[in-house]
Amino acid sequence: DADVTQTPRNRITKTGKRIMLECSQTKGHDRMYWYRQDPGLGLRLIYYSFDVKDINKGEISDGYSVSRQAQAKFSLSLESAIPNQTALYFCATSDLRGSRYNEQFFGPGTRLTVL
Amino acid sequence: AQSVTQLDSQVPVFEEAPVELRCNYSSSVSVYLFWYVQYPNQGLQLLLKYLSGSTLVKGINGFEAEFNKSQTSFHLRKPSVHISDTAEYFCAVSVRRAGNMLTFGGGTRLMVKP
Repeated sequence: DADVTQTPRNRITKTGKRIMLECSQTKGHDRMYWYRQDPGLGLRLIYYSFDVKDINKGEISDGYSVSRQAQAKFSLSLESAIPNQTALYFCATSDLRGSRYNEQFFGPGTRLTVL
Repeated sequence: AQSVTQLDSQVPVFEEAPVELRCNYSSSVSVYLFWYVQYPNQGLQLLLKYLSGSTLVKGINGFEAEFNKSQTSFHLRKPSVHISDTAEYFCAVSVRRAGNMLTFGGGTRLMVKP
C-alpha cells in the first residue's frame, strides 16, 4: 500500500463549486504539505502543517483553505473554484527524525480541472 | 528568500548518451539541495540530496550531482541514459534552519529517444 494517498485522483468541477481534496499518510510523519504544480512553474506551496494544531500559509494560499483532522489526514478545500485553479495538486509529508529527516514524500497527485 | 532556476525546460537526448540537467539557486544563507524525479502520472520521488560533506552526491538509477558553492549550482548528470529515464526532473532547495521547506525550480523534461 502507498504511504501517501490522495483522493480523488482526478476531478472535473465547475466554476463556483466547493471541492475538497484529501490526503492520508501511514508514515507517521508530523509534517504535511499541499502543493500545486503548473507547467513551467514547478511546485508551489499552498499550505503546510507541522502538527495538528500548527497550520501555516504557503506561497499561494489565496482561494484555498485546509484542515488537519488528525496526524495522518490533511485536506485542501477550494471554497469557490475558479478556472485558474486548474492544476495538479500534490500532498507531501516529512519528518525531522532519522536519516531521511530532510526528505519530503509525495502522494500520486490529484488532477483538478475547473470549467 | 531563496529561488531555484532550471535553465532548460526540455532536454532531448538519444539513448545511451550522457546528459546534464542544470540547476542554479539563489540564497543568502546555507542550503540543502535536492533533485526529485516525476515519472508520468506519478508523484515525485527523491533522486539524491546534498546536505553536507562531499560535493559529489550519488543517487538512485545511476544519477549524480555536484554541488558548486561558488557558482551556486547543483547540476544533475548521468553518463548513459535509458528510455526509462524519460521523466520530469525538479531541483529544489531548503534553507538550513528549523523546518525543511522546499522551494522548487520550474522543472526539466528529459526526453530520451531510441
